[in-house]
Amino acid sequence: TQLLEQSPQFLSIQEGENLTVYCNSSSVFSSLQWYRQEPGEGPVLLVTVVTGGEVKKLKRLTFQFGDARKDSSLHITAAQPGDTGLYLCAGGLNTNAGKSTFGDGTTLTVKP
Amino acid sequence: ETGVTQSPTHLIKTRGQQVTLRCSSQSGHNTVSWYQQALGQGPQFIFQYYREEENGRGNFPPRFSGLQFPNYSSELNVNALELDDSALYLCASSADRDYGYTFGSGTRLTVV
Repeated sequence: TQLLEQSPQFLSIQEGENLTVYCNSSSVFSSLQWYRQEPGEGPVLLVTVVTGGEVKKLKRLTFQFGDARKDSSLHITAAQPGDTGLYLCAGGLNTNAGKSTFGDGTTLTVKP
Repeated sequence: ETGVTQSPTHLIKTRGQQVTLRCSSQSGHNTVSWYQQALGQGPQFIFQYYREEENGRGNFPPRFSGLQFPNYSSELNVNALELDDSALYLCASSADRDYGYTFGSGTRLTVV
């Protein structure tokens, strides 16, 4: 069974700081997704990466897929309180993202 | 367009009982995946339905079963409930298996 390990588990920072969270596995994934989940809600897809070494940017968020497609990182620049939430990575062995394996997430708190 | 709707939002059941959870997929979506998310953990894949047929199953016992209807809405049934079945149950739908998935807000099941 492939495992996705996310670090750190918890992160609390001040508004305006930069941060990076990580998603690591010993397995190779065909695709990897990053989601953000708020309390009482389902995960919301932020990005899908499929090519080793791929970098995608979404406003202040930068996502990178490792060259070997075993790991990924999410970097947030100038964090804002609205970025607070649970960040989940999920990987699939094929392109069917509906059967993904999820990590346990990083809980991010951005203080004003 | 409407998103993914799950019902009920909260449910309390007694150990040994049976429960049915419902999911109305987003308009135009023919694929539904169900996930179980225990407190403090990432979602775990239960099974997927594609055009009314089961299309893959995670590591869950047979007392977890499902259905997808001609309008692509779906049900998750759990028999002989156990205390460990207490979790947030998430439904996610997609326009096709390899497309992006939209999650509902989930059903919070508590087994006492």
